[in-house]
Amino acid sequence: GQNIDQPTEMTATEGAIVQINCTYQTSGFNGLFWYQQHAGEAPTFLSYNVLDGLEEKGRFSSFLSRSKGYSYLLLKELQMKDSASYLCAVRVKGYQKVTFGIGTKLQVIP
Amino acid sequence: NAGVTQTPKFRVLKTGQSMTLLCAQDMNHEYMYWYRQDPGMGLRLIHYSVGEGTTAKGEVPDGYNVSRLKKQNFLLGLESAAPSQTSVYFCASSRMSRDRGINEQYFGPGTRLTVT
Repeated sequence: GQNIDQPTEMTATEGAIVQINCTYQTSGFNGLFWYQQHAGEAPTFLSYNVLDGLEEKGRFSSFLSRSKGYSYLLLKELQMKDSASYLCAVRVKGYQKVTFGIGTKLQVIP
Repeated sequence: NAGVTQTPKFRVLKTGQSMTLLCAQDMNHEYMYWYRQDPGMGLRLIHYSVGEGTTAKGEVPDGYNVSRLKKQNFLLGLESAAPSQTSVYFCASSRMSRDRGINEQYFGPGTRLTVT
């Protein structure tokens, strides 16, 4: 099985930077996804890492260390609309499915 | 393109009643999934399908059945609803996996089901 851990809740200030961590334990790792989910809405894809390092996409970046079983999502220049849950999900090689963490609920305050 | 659509959006059932949730996608995706989302539990996979006519169990399949008779549709059935099945149900689809390919999942808007 897979074990995915991420903080349940975080609070950050508008305009600041926030880092959301995700740790996982699995064998046959084949990629890590981050999804954003606003309250009452469906998850939407944010980023994907399969090799070690940083992937940058505008205000959002995602980092992966496969040897440490660790990833983070970095959100810069926070805006009020970034208040949402951020879901970490891991895919295992040979399977067509992913396992999701419980999600981190981020509240951005003025 | 509509993407992934789900019907109905809301439903209230009495214990023991049955219902079918319909998911449709117009992206020609091979893979389709049914999840349930509960507070503090995250998204949990119920059943999934890797192609027309094929289905497989996920993490929490008990009490649910599925069918994929057409590539674009994935149906989730509850034969005898129980209060423990009160949840938000999401359908998702993705392209066929390639080694190291992204193949992210696209989610429908969800169905909010209450079983009394």
